[in-house]
Amino acid sequence: AQTVTQSQPEMSVQEAETVTLSCTYDTSESNYYLFWYKQPPSRQMILVIRQEAYKQQNATENRFSVNFQKAAKSFSLKISDSQLGDTAMYFCAFGYRDDKIIFGKGTRLHILP
Amino acid sequence: EAQVTQNPRYLITVTGKKLTVTCSQNMNHEYMSWYRQDPGLGLRQIYYSMNVEVTDKGDVPEGYKVSRKEKRNFPLILESPSPNQTSLYFCASNLGAGRLNEQYFGPGTRLTVT
Repeated sequence: AQTVTQSQPEMSVQEAETVTLSCTYDTSESNYYLFWYKQPPSRQMILVIRQEAYKQQNATENRFSVNFQKAAKSFSLKISDSQLGDTAMYFCAFGYRDDKIIFGKGTRLHILP
Repeated sequence: EAQVTQNPRYLITVTGKKLTVTCSQNMNHEYMSWYRQDPGLGLRQIYYSMNVEVTDKGDVPEGYKVSRKEKRNFPLILESPSPNQTSLYFCASNLGAGRLNEQYFGPGTRLTVT
C-alpha cells in the first residue's frame, strides 16, 4: 500500500526566512508523481509544485523548490523568502495510475510578520 | 475558463435525510474523483470514475454512492447521512492517459450532519 508521511504537523517561521517542509512516502510503484498542494483559509486546493518520479532534476517554481531523493523516498518542499501569503496548510501527495492520489496529513505553516 | 464546480458549497442537514452534492467539469476529463478532508487525516479518496458508467471504490466508500451518467458530471450521494460524514468534500478531475499531473480540484463543499 502507498503511504505518505508528513512529520511536521505545524511550523512557524518569520517572514523572509527560508522554510523546509518534510515528506516521505512508501510505494512499490515505479511510475508515479509527487505533489505539494497549498490550502489557504479559502480551502481551495492549489497545486504548488509537481515532480515526475522518472525525472532526476528537482522541480522549481519561483520561490518553491523540492528536494527529491528517490532512493530515500523523500520529497521535501523548500520555500524561499517566505511571505505572509504563504500561510496555509500544505499537503504532500503521491499519485499513480490515472486515478489515485494519496495525501499526507498536512503541515500547517504560519508565516509571522 | 477550465474549472470544476461543486454545489452546494455549504450544507447543514439532519441525520438520515438523503442529499446529493453535484460536481461538474468543463474540460472533457476522463477521470473524476471525490475526496473527504478531515482534520489530522488529510484528504482521503471516496470514489473515482474512469469514464461514463465506470466507477470504483476509493479508500473510504462506506455510506456513499456515486454515478457517472455523463462525462462532465459526477454527483456524490449520501442516502442516509450520519454525523460521522460531517466533513469537507472535494471533487477533482484529470485528463487521464498519464496526465495525473494535471489534476483540477473543485472549491469544496462543507457538509454538517446533525
